[in-house]
Amino acid sequence: DGGITQSPKYLFRKEGQNVTLSCEQNLNHDAMYWYRQDPGQGLRLIYYSQIVNDFQKGDIAEGYSVSREKKESFPLTVTSAQKNPTAFYLCASRTGGTNTEAFFGQGTRLTVV
Amino acid sequence: DQQVKQNSPSLSVQEGRISILNCDYTNSMFDYFLWYKKYPAEGPTFLISISSIKDKNEDGRFTVFLNKSAKHLSLHIVPSQPGDSAVYFCAASSYNNNDMRFGAGTRLTVKP
Repeated sequence: DGGITQSPKYLFRKEGQNVTLSCEQNLNHDAMYWYRQDPGQGLRLIYYSQIVNDFQKGDIAEGYSVSREKKESFPLTVTSAQKNPTAFYLCASRTGGTNTEAFFGQGTRLTVV
Repeated sequence: DQQVKQNSPSLSVQEGRISILNCDYTNSMFDYFLWYKKYPAEGPTFLISISSIKDKNEDGRFTVFLNKSAKHLSLHIVPSQPGDSAVYFCAASSYNNNDMRFGAGTRLTVKP
């Protein structure tokens, strides 16, 4: 059963702590994306990766880091440098190099207290 | 600077009538456009897309129109059904970069 999985669905962290959000896909997709959703702001692109061991900054990359060591995995670390980390985070993937639709995970709601 | 804009935060229509959701973009490198439907606390689901070489794409009750000169696209839903009530996002991507930018979304409410 192919798909894209984000875990956990809800995550709580204390201010000043780094936290890593997981994103795994078994769709054999080359491209993967991380978005952040805040109320009224739509989906803002944090980072994206077109291929293993390569990634590019999106529009709001400050305070975040990513890695792409395996095709299936694209974890996002929210660092203590991110000023307003509380948000709904969405991961997506799609076939790279062609114009196709992206598939999304169910999201992770991160709350920093 | 937002490259994809949805200027209407909300839209309310009567069941059976047409819903028209609009989207504008600023980056002329975008050549592929998508519409997604989203419910709260869930990931978006793909609805329909259009390539820049076309000006219309139809799939059942959903039709997307693209006006490249105006950098504008629209999603038409006919007839609208109460189950269509959700937030709709417009997205755009460019073949070379493989990036994908989204608009702020439009909340559609279809009243029975």
